[in-house]
Order: sequence, then structure tokens, then C-alpha cells
Amino acid sequence: EAQVTQNPRYLITVTGKKLTVTCSQNMNHEYMSWYRQDPGLGLRQIYYSMNVEVTDKGDVPEGYKVSRKEKRNFPLILESPSPNQTSLYFCASSSPVNEKLFFGSGTQLSVL
Amino acid sequence: DAKTTQPPSMDCAEGRAANLPCNHSTISGNEYVYWYRQIHSQGPQYIIHGLKNNETNEMASLIITEDRKSSTLILPHATLRDTAVYYCIVGGGVVGTSGSRLTFGEGTQLTVNP
Repeated sequence: EAQVTQNPRYLITVTGKKLTVTCSQNMNHEYMSWYRQDPGLGLRQIYYSMNVEVTDKGDVPEGYKVSRKEKRNFPLILESPSPNQTSLYFCASSSPVNEKLFFGSGTQLSVL
Repeated sequence: DAKTTQPPSMDCAEGRAANLPCNHSTISGNEYVYWYRQIHSQGPQYIIHGLKNNETNEMASLIITEDRKSSTLILPHATLRDTAVYYCIVGGGVVGTSGSRLTFGEGTQLTVNP
């Protein structure tokens, strides 16, 4: 089944403790992206990647890092999480050919 | 990237057509109109997209005005499961270029009533 898999689904952590949210897709998509969703602010793009080793900032990149060493994986790294990064995070992927974004199920992150 | 304007909420009776409007008056010539929906806090789901011509698939129809400044998503026979937030987005024709900065906004909360 074609899918985008995020882990973990829920995560509670404390300020300053480094964490990684994983994202993997099995559709051989070139394009992958991370979004965060907050009440009243909609979905905002954090980072995106057009292919392996090619990444770029979205609208809200501060406090986040990403890497794209393999085509299928696009982890989101919070080196020193802060409470304002408490949010619902979504990973998405697409092929430029079909232009449809496929989203993961989301990761609810709480930073205390 | 062009911005979109959608009503914050709409209601529709089950079995009737749901017509969701979207204004995108600053859309540029190579930008597509995309529609996604999000049920509760699940990942958004692609519905349909188009450039100039009207489009139809198994989920919905997309009507784009001739000047491309607005569009309407039509769910022909709404069901309770269509209750969701619907997002209208404009962006580049190839996701990964200008389309990589797709801006979702707050969308329209569609409630389908029995």
C-alpha cells in the first residue's frame, strides 16, 4: 500500500532534549516536505526536499533541521526543542509528475 | 505565491450538492488550483486540481472561472463523511518548484447535516 509513515504518533518531551521525528515513503517520490499545524494558523511549511541531498527552507524553518540522505526518508530534527514547537506535524511526499501530495498521519508533539 | 480566500464555515444537507467557493484573484498564469481536505486531525487528503479547464474525478468537480480569479469545488452528493476542513491552494504546476511553498491557510469547515 502506498503510504507516508511518520513516527512516533505522539511525543512528549522536555525543553532542550534533542528529538527526531521520522518520515518514510514507499512511493519513490522525489519531493518531500514537513508542515506544522497550529490552531488558527493552518498548515505551515517547515522544510522541503526536491530530491536526495537537496533541501530548502519553508515558511517557518527556525529551530528545525532536516536531512535527505535517502530518497525514501526525510527526518525532522529538533536540536533543542522549546514549548513554542508544541504542534501537530505532518510529513508529505509527491512526485512532480502527478502533483498530488500524500500526507502522513501526523505527529502530535508536546514540549514541556 | 498567490493567496486564497475561503469562507470559514459552510453547512450542507446530506445528499445535496456542496459548493465550496474560493477566491484567488492574484493567481499567476502557471499556477494551479488544488483542493485538499482534512478530517479531524488526520493528514490532509488530495481531492482535485486544475489549471484552466473544469475538472472532474470520482470525488468532486472543480469549476474555474474564465479569468481564473475564483473557483468552486463541488461535492455532488454530500455525505456525513464529507464533513471536514477543505483547503483551496494555488501553486506552481510542478510541486517542488514554486509549488513547493504551498500555503494551506485555514480553509472552510464544511459540516454535512443529516
